[in-house]
Amino acid sequence: SAVISQKPSRDICQRGTSLTIQCQVDSQVTMMFWYRQQPGQSLTLIATANQGSEATYESGFVIDKFPISRPNLTFSTLTVSNMSPEDSSIYLCSVKGLAGRTDTQYFGPGTRLTVL
Amino acid sequence: GENVEQHPSTLSVQEGDSAVIKCTYSDSASNYFPWYKQELGKGPQLIIDIRSNVGEKKDQRIAVTLNKTAKHFSLHITETQPEDSAVYFCAASTGGGADGLTFGKGTHLIIQP
Repeated sequence: SAVISQKPSRDICQRGTSLTIQCQVDSQVTMMFWYRQQPGQSLTLIATANQGSEATYESGFVIDKFPISRPNLTFSTLTVSNMSPEDSSIYLCSVKGLAGRTDTQYFGPGTRLTVL
Repeated sequence: GENVEQHPSTLSVQEGDSAVIKCTYSDSASNYFPWYKQELGKGPQLIIDIRSNVGEKKDQRIAVTLNKTAKHFSLHITETQPEDSAVYFCAASTGGGADGLTFGKGTHLIIQP
């Protein structure tokens, strides 16, 4: 499977600031997604990152809070804006469409965010 | 939308015994069911998946079964080893296109030596 990297791996941020998380894949993929995993919880889909167009957000997530970019087939960013302690979570990038498998999703290592 | 229920939330088994984790889903349109293993501090790792045109799939000590009529699927791990200790998540989706995954709440599997 492909190598999926995320930067930063972890960060501690102050309330009211913003953090941009990067996701890089070492081969082209058709789909990229962003998930959130709150402490001790399951994964929740935030949005689908669409190349060259606006991301598709799930219910409960909005573009102003979680702006997403996907400039090409191997890279995406997620910004967590105007952070509050409730945003403390692991943010995970996942990709789909590797090696011709249209349904299999692979996950990156995650970005562990703590908001003070 | 899809809803995935997963049980149990914690499972403790003796090393060498078998472990079974069960999930149910609500959306009859779902046709792809992966299982992920997540170790502390790491991202989820795909361990096995099954599609709705298959009833069972096996990969060494790991197997998954699917009952489409009852809308449930299960993960079976045989001959458990200490390195099997982790959190396991089931998920469901319609498989193709732009659909993401809906996850169960996870099962913390503890292998007792």
